[in-house]
Amino acid sequence: AAGVIQSPRHLIKEKRETATLKCYPIPRHDTVYWYQQGPGQDPQFLISFYEKMQSDKGSIPDRFSAQQFSDYHSELNMSSLELGDSALYFCASSLRYSGDTEAFFGQGTRLTVV
Amino acid sequence: GNSVTQMEGPVTLSEEAFLTINCTYTATGYPSLFWYVQYPGEGLQLLLKATKADDKGSNKGFEATYRKETTSFHLEKGSVQVSDSAVYFCALYNQGGKLIFGQGTELSVKP
Repeated sequence: AAGVIQSPRHLIKEKRETATLKCYPIPRHDTVYWYQQGPGQDPQFLISFYEKMQSDKGSIPDRFSAQQFSDYHSELNMSSLELGDSALYFCASSLRYSGDTEAFFGQGTRLTVV
Repeated sequence: GNSVTQMEGPVTLSEEAFLTINCTYTATGYPSLFWYVQYPGEGLQLLLKATKADDKGSNKGFEATYRKETTSFHLEKGSVQVSDSAVYFCALYNQGGKLIFGQGTELSVKP
């Protein structure tokens, strides 16, 4: 079965550079979530989109922005990268009003800022 | 606000030992509850879930019961294996449509 696809799997950037992370949800899923997991930490919610509109916002820095496109894929744009942005970034998708609240996670993108 | 609290790790057990990882939650309404597992270097995988009070989720020998009266969703397994070594996250899905995770509990099973 198709799963959530994230790209790239690994990314190394220098401080002050920009990074773009991509997420392709499970077909027909209408909701995408982004999470950030620092080393040894639990995943922290960043932002979510439902039907291409931002639906909720968590602890996402102003340097980060995200959007969901017409094909439902989502991109997380991160600018002026800092060392502390080094983390595993997860994308998840769900079908919001399916009656089943399960969110399916991608494998994550490991971002290292040097 | 909504939150999830898990017992701290790491938890170290011998193979075939009984496992309990405690999880309690604070939430308005009746959220769905989940256990996710993260193996080293991998993403989050759903282990089991329960969507209403007294529901029991189960998978791969793990089980957890949604207890509304104690706001708990403790994870149990009767006999752990080395391959169960991972980090386990308890989570709730609130009405706003996002998962809120506990801090994770690392399980290490020794042969």
